[in-house]
Amino acid sequence: GAGVSQTPSNKVTEKGKYVELRCDPISGHTALYWYRQSLGQGPEFLIYFQGTGAADDSGLPNDRFFAVRPEGSVSTLKIQRTERGDSAVYLCASSSRGRGLTDTQYFGPGTRLTVL
Amino acid sequence: GENVEQHPSTLSVQEGDSAVIKCTYSDSASNYFPWYKQELGKRPQLIIDIRSNVGEKKDQRIAVTLNKTAKHFSLHITETQPEDSAVYFCAAIIKAAGNKLTFGGGTRVLVKP
Repeated sequence: GAGVSQTPSNKVTEKGKYVELRCDPISGHTALYWYRQSLGQGPEFLIYFQGTGAADDSGLPNDRFFAVRPEGSVSTLKIQRTERGDSAVYLCASSSRGRGLTDTQYFGPGTRLTVL
Repeated sequence: GENVEQHPSTLSVQEGDSAVIKCTYSDSASNYFPWYKQELGKRPQLIIDIRSNVGEKKDQRIAVTLNKTAKHFSLHITETQPEDSAVYFCAAIIKAAGNKLTFGGGTRVLVKP
């Protein structure tokens, strides 16, 4: 079946602008994660959804970052007043969360955000 | 804080030789340890994982070992091939940090033909 998809693949914006990044998880996966990956580093956790609700948003760096998943499937990561330091690859992952299981996270191809 | 340390940061091996990457973790309650391979500009892809109820797992040329007492786990690639060249990330579910998947800093593996 189809894997995790993300759009756009690349986004170039100017400092101070607003951007939205979209993630379409694997069909039926209830858990969705957003990560940020800077050059030469591993992915860093931002936020985790279980269904429609944000179960853990402790990784969001500040209140300029916000994410939603209104119908429990597609998620949008929103960044207000972008700064040059926000430039990174934003990765989305999904998993099928079973009770008591630690489930594999499948990653999307990422959105490369460049803030000029 | 809770983290995962990965070594080495770069690894160059001759084709056909073995490659070993080591990771340590801080949370003794961690119970899931996946390894991801990421080629340049591509998504991280799971290559193997191990849960805390076993000490070793093998899949063809790839194996992972886990030492819960010492809190470290390792990836072993045997008979390396040029297509094994990539960045490899270890990760651990850090229960103390709310069951987050925490990644190591990555190892850039170069297999020389």
